[in-house]
Amino acid sequence: GAVVSQHPSRVICKSGTSVKIECRSLDFQATTMFWYRQFPKQSLMLMATSNEGSKATYEQGVEKDKFLINHASLTLSTLTVTSAHPEDSSFYICSARADRDRDQETQYFGPGTRLLVL
Amino acid sequence: QKEVEQNSGPLSVPEGAIASLNCTYSDRGSQSFFWYRQYSGKSPELIMSIYSNGDKEDGRFTAQLNKASQYVSLLIRDSQPSDSATYLCAVARGLYNFNKFYFGSGTKLNVKP
Repeated sequence: GAVVSQHPSRVICKSGTSVKIECRSLDFQATTMFWYRQFPKQSLMLMATSNEGSKATYEQGVEKDKFLINHASLTLSTLTVTSAHPEDSSFYICSARADRDRDQETQYFGPGTRLLVL
Repeated sequence: QKEVEQNSGPLSVPEGAIASLNCTYSDRGSQSFFWYRQYSGKSPELIMSIYSNGDKEDGRFTAQLNKASQYVSLLIRDSQPSDSATYLCAVARGLYNFNKFYFGSGTKLNVKP
């Protein structure tokens, strides 16, 4: 299998606080994970590519100081939304690429985290 | 021009019919192609991947790739109401190098009982 978990599944926070979202590959190692954001009725938007042991690569327009990514192990990447504001409310989804898939680019998605900033 | 284009739909088909979903991409060097299904409020789940020209079948699903026309499609045979979802086409430029995906905006499929 290729199972990816996310925690929490849903979070409500006050404006100005920080929120950490965890993404774990449960049955495989993942040197590379990806963080996406999805607003209602829109497609997935890639925020950043997370690589174990190195700095994340952010997409154009994504503030690296606001969305902190840490990929400290081969099975865990975290996304911290710092000083969250209502416009950060969205569905955040991570995906992971299995290191064992040497000839494939398949990404396996976590179940997502729904963030609501009041 | 968007990297990956899909008709947003909705595409409505009766139960038992064949649903045909289409996707075009702009980068001729793209090498990896994927179809994901996303139910409302849920994250995407992988249906199929395809890397070579031609057809690839998996159960009721058939993916078709034509690199010369920069076109990839997904056929769903014997469509069921449970197939009603948004189908996302994803394209990656590489094959081995942990390349990022470019997603289409998705096609919403409604299968009517």
